[in-house]
Amino acid sequence: AQSVSQHNHHVILSEAASLELGCNYSYGGTVNLFWYVQYPGQHLQLLLKYFSGDPLVKGIKGFEAEFIKSKFSFNLRKPSVQWSDTAEYFCASHGSSNTGKLIFGQGTTLQVKP
Amino acid sequence: NAGVMQNPRHLVRRRGQEARLRCSPMKGHSHVYWYRQLPEEGLKFMVYLQKENIIDESGMPKERFSAEFPKEGPSILRIQQVVRGDSAAYFCASSWDRVNTEAFFGQGTRLTVV
Repeated sequence: AQSVSQHNHHVILSEAASLELGCNYSYGGTVNLFWYVQYPGQHLQLLLKYFSGDPLVKGIKGFEAEFIKSKFSFNLRKPSVQWSDTAEYFCASHGSSNTGKLIFGQGTTLQVKP
Repeated sequence: NAGVMQNPRHLVRRRGQEARLRCSPMKGHSHVYWYRQLPEEGLKFMVYLQKENIIDESGMPKERFSAEFPKEGPSILRIQQVVRGDSAAYFCASSWDRVNTEAFFGQGTRLTVV
């Protein structure tokens, strides 16, 4: 079965530290990839998405992700985190389905200390 | 443009009762997806509906769970004879198309079965 895995379940950083959250997907064909963020008590919001083209994707709030097909990876990065980035982050893929349903990773809780 | 609206935000049911979760998609969106998030797990796809039709219900438990998206009104996820294991956060997402587009999420309904 297709799957998405996130390597880090809980990450603690100090403000201004750099962030990289790992994400790997299992499907070998054409994939659409997403990173969503969920701030405490709020709904999931899209940070960025990759459908095709430039494998380095810029998102909102200074986030970016790089699609590396050979590694089946789509890692999320941010050069300098802020306390307001404290949230849960989900990587997701459309996989091979043509229905638009998303396959999610387990999520990574990021805690940024001021 | 209002986002995806889910209600109620919190729902408490006794074992054996019925739970009804509602989702109003964003204006102009005809594709609705339901996901379930169990404690300490990522979001799992349940069902995909497009106005009046169930397109993919591969993630729905075989018994007690049903979903609909009528021509008029919100999408409903119905859980009959709830059990403790149904306690989870249920998220709805909508999109204007099924592929190469992002889904917008509601704030979720947190169901607690006592």
